[in-house]
Amino acid sequence: GDSVTQMEGPVTLSEEAFLTINCTYTATGYPSLFWYVQYPGEGLQLLLKATKADDKGSNKGFEATYRKETTSFHLEKGSVQVSDSAVYFCALSRSRSNDYKLSFGAGTTVTVRA
Amino acid sequence: DTEVTQTPKHLVMGMTNKKSLKCEQHMGHRAMYWYKQKAKKPPELMFVYSYEKLSINESVPSRFSPECPNSSLLNLHLHALQPEDSALYLCASSQGRGGAWDTGELFFGEGSRLTVL
Repeated sequence: GDSVTQMEGPVTLSEEAFLTINCTYTATGYPSLFWYVQYPGEGLQLLLKATKADDKGSNKGFEATYRKETTSFHLEKGSVQVSDSAVYFCALSRSRSNDYKLSFGAGTTVTVRA
Repeated sequence: DTEVTQTPKHLVMGMTNKKSLKCEQHMGHRAMYWYKQKAKKPPELMFVYSYEKLSINESVPSRFSPECPNSSLLNLHLHALQPEDSALYLCASSQGRGGAWDTGELFFGEGSRLTVL
């Protein structure tokens, strides 16, 4: 079955540091890949997505590239801010007849210090 | 309108109470989902409705009862819950397959934070 593995952290960084969160997946075919972010006390928000191999998703300075050959979708940001402190989830979407099944990674807690 | 709206945002209930969580979307999506999430853990799928019919029940205890009155609304009825049921309950929606923007994306609401005393 489908599965997603991501580094669990926690990760603690200083402002303006470089952030990488590794994510690898196991799946057949060509699932869509997502990064969701959850800020303290809030729901899940889509951060970025990629729907086919070599697609690069980007948003708010974050980027991730869908690498089929390495089955990876690593999240990167060049210069983090305190406001980026959150839990980040990598996810894979498998289509069914009329809906989708998301497989989530364990989540990575990121804390950015001023 | 690209929102999924959940009410209430916070709910405290006793183990003998009956309450309901509500979810609404006006994006024309034909699939709606309930997830349960514990702190800093990934969401766990509970139920999926596709075209107003229950398509997935992930072996959820019967004290949780979903209902989909129409394509825009999804309810979760709660009865005789246990303290371990305290969690954030997330609703999500997605397009039916084959839509113009069929990317497999789920749109999540802000969640209802449930505390069972």
